[in-house]
Amino acid sequence: DGGITQSPKYLFRKEGQNVTLSCEQNLNHDAMYWYRQDPGQGLRLIYYSQIVNDFQKGDIAEGYSVSREKKESFPLTVTSAQKNPTAFYLCASTLDRLLGGYTFGSGTRLTVV
Amino acid sequence: SQQGEEDPQALSIQEGENATMNCSYKTSINNLQWYRQNSGRGLVHLILIRSNEREKHSGRLRVTLDTSKKSSSLLITASRAADTASYFCATLKAAGNKLTFGGGTRVLVKP
Repeated sequence: DGGITQSPKYLFRKEGQNVTLSCEQNLNHDAMYWYRQDPGQGLRLIYYSQIVNDFQKGDIAEGYSVSREKKESFPLTVTSAQKNPTAFYLCASTLDRLLGGYTFGSGTRLTVV
Repeated sequence: SQQGEEDPQALSIQEGENATMNCSYKTSINNLQWYRQNSGRGLVHLILIRSNEREKHSGRLRVTLDTSKKSSSLLITASRAADTASYFCATLKAAGNKLTFGGGTRVLVKP
């Protein structure tokens, strides 16, 4: 079955560490997105990529980095520069933003310990 | 900043009743979408309505769009306990290339 796989489901980070969240899709979608969700809140866009080897900052990109070397993969690195990284991270993709909705992964919950 | 804002923030109803939630936005849009999120899970796309459409149905879901008022509504008819979730509206701005989500409406359907 096609879909988006995020791993790990839970991640614990010590202060000062960088961590990388994985997002893989087998839907043949060009566009991929990373959102952050805080408890009881909506989603805020971190980074997005409309095509391989290209990506743009979203509304809250500071302290995060991404790469898009393959169509299927869009990993997100949470760097030590992100002061409040504890949150639920969601990856999404779409074939056509004008005609269809986003497909979301099941999320990664990151906690700083 | 939030493009879409849902109202109410929370809604509690009995099974079998209808649930209505609203979304307001600020700028011209290409389309508006509704998503459902069960606790601790990813979002599931429910329905997309384009700026030139006024109403759309999908099963027990009915979505309306009023571009003059910059608002949309989602109606869930004959609600079930399994409809308990958070519902989010998201807008794609005209000439935009990414969705902006609202804060969501938390719906509790009591059996």
